[in-house]
Amino acid sequence: QLQLRESGPGLVKPSESLSLTCTVSGGSISSDSSYWGWIRQPPGKGLEWIGDVKYGATTYYKSSLKSRVTISIDTSNNQFSLKLSSVTAADTAVYYCARRGVYNNPYYFDYWGQGTLVTVSS
Amino acid sequence: DIVMSQSPDSLAVSLGERATINCKASQSLLYRPNNKNYLAWYHQRPGQPPKVLIHWASTRESGVPDRFTGSGSETDFTLTISSLQAEDVAVYYCQQYYSYPPTFGQGTKVEIK
Repeated sequence: QLQLRESGPGLVKPSESLSLTCTVSGGSISSDSSYWGWIRQPPGKGLEWIGDVKYGATTYYKSSLKSRVTISIDTSNNQFSLKLSSVTAADTAVYYCARRGVYNNPYYFDYWGQGTLVTVSS
Repeated sequence: DIVMSQSPDSLAVSLGERATINCKASQSLLYRPNNKNYLAWYHQRPGQPPKVLIHWASTRESGVPDRFTGSGSETDFTLTISSLQAEDVAVYYCQQYYSYPPTFGQGTKVEIK
C-alpha cells in the first residue's frame, strides 16, 4: 500500500522560502506509472494544485506560481520536494503531497499524504 | 484553464435521504478516442485529506460504498449519495484531469438536517 508523508517547517517568515518534503513508502518514486504532486488548501478554502513531477519527465507548475515554485525528485531517498520562494501570508495553507497514476496522461489523485500546515508569519 | 463550478455550495439532508451534487466544466471533459470523461469526485472529512470516490466520472473507487454514484458526460456531472449516512458529512469536490492544470470545483458541504 502506497503511503505519502509530508515534512517540513510549520512556520515561515514572509519573503523567505517554504520547503517541504514528501516521503513515499510502499512504492518507488521512479515508477513509470506515477506523477507526484503538491496541492494546497488555505484554511477554510478549497483545493489548489501547485505542480506535478514524474521521474525522467517534464515538471508542470500552476502558471500563477511558476516563477516561485520548484518541485524535484530525490530517488536515493524515495522523496520529492516543494520549494516556494518569496512567500506571503497568502501562501498560508495545508500542503498535501499526492500521487496521480497514468493512463496515457496523468489522471486523478489516488493517494494523499495527511497534509502539513504551513503558516507564513513574522 | 478549465473552470469547475459546483452547485449547491452546501446542502443539508436527512439521514437516509438522497443528496445530489452537481459539477459543471467550462469545456468538455470527454476524450472521444477512448470515450472517457476525465472527471473525479472526492470527499474530505474535517481534518483529513481528500479521498477519491469516483473516477472516469462514473467508476467507483475500490472500497467505496455503492450508495455513491457518479453520472454525466462532457460538461455536466452529478454525484448522488442514495441514502445519506452520518459518516458522509464532508466537503465534496469534483476535479478535472482532462488537461493541465488539473482543477477542482469550489466544494459542496454536506451536512445532516
